Amino acid sequence: DAGITQSPRHKVTETGTPVTLRCHQTENHRYMYWYRQDPGHGLRLIHYSYGVKDTDKGEVSDGYSVSRSKTEDFLLTLESATSSQTSVYFCAISESGGPYEQYFGPGTRLTVT
Amino acid sequence: AQKITQTQPGMFVQEKEAVTLDCTYDTSDPSYGLFWYKQPSSGEMIFLIYQGSYDQQNATEGRYSLNFQKARKSANLVISASQLGDSAMYFCAMREPKVMGNMLTFGGGTRLMVKP
Repeated sequence: DAGITQSPRHKVTETGTPVTLRCHQTENHRYMYWYRQDPGHGLRLIHYSYGVKDTDKGEVSDGYSVSRSKTEDFLLTLESATSSQTSVYFCAISESGGPYEQYFGPGTRLTVT
Repeated sequence: AQKITQTQPGMFVQEKEAVTLDCTYDTSDPSYGLFWYKQPSSGEMIFLIYQGSYDQQNATEGRYSLNFQKARKSANLVISASQLGDSAMYFCAMREPKVMGNMLTFGGGTRLMVKP
């Protein structure tokens, strides 16, 4: 199994509070991704990173920011959480930019009340 | 337009029988990859099988095979000899090298239920 961990695994927070989710990998893969999974929408890309300090927006990036100061860590921040951000968040990693598989972390279930 | 379409929201299969999960895709890029992931009730996303657009032969991984029909833009997953542990959501996904950091575009999924 690919070495990917996510923390926390579960979080309940209130509307308007900041939240940071962490993805940590031990594979030294260049690419890292944050997806969200919602019923009826499958998984959608929020942000991705193609190297340290190199990040870009995905399909559903509004309300989210990311940072990657080390190869192994990719942080997703909700600056001011809203109920529409209640979701399951998955981190994924990939070794290269070609059409190769991505490996997913275990997911973080976030509930915004 | 949907890039990945899975037309079967839910399916039943009898244990030990084979089952085919449908997936069609849409891309104009000649280089792409097609993937299937399994998501059991515990929630993790498990990579099952990969097919490259230039691969001449259909991919196989144990009981999983991918029926790749390039002209029809179809990438169906075949599970042989179904087991109770195969009950899960199955997602088809595509990766295009020139799209958003090679992100995966997912279909809506098919829920497979294996009957004893």
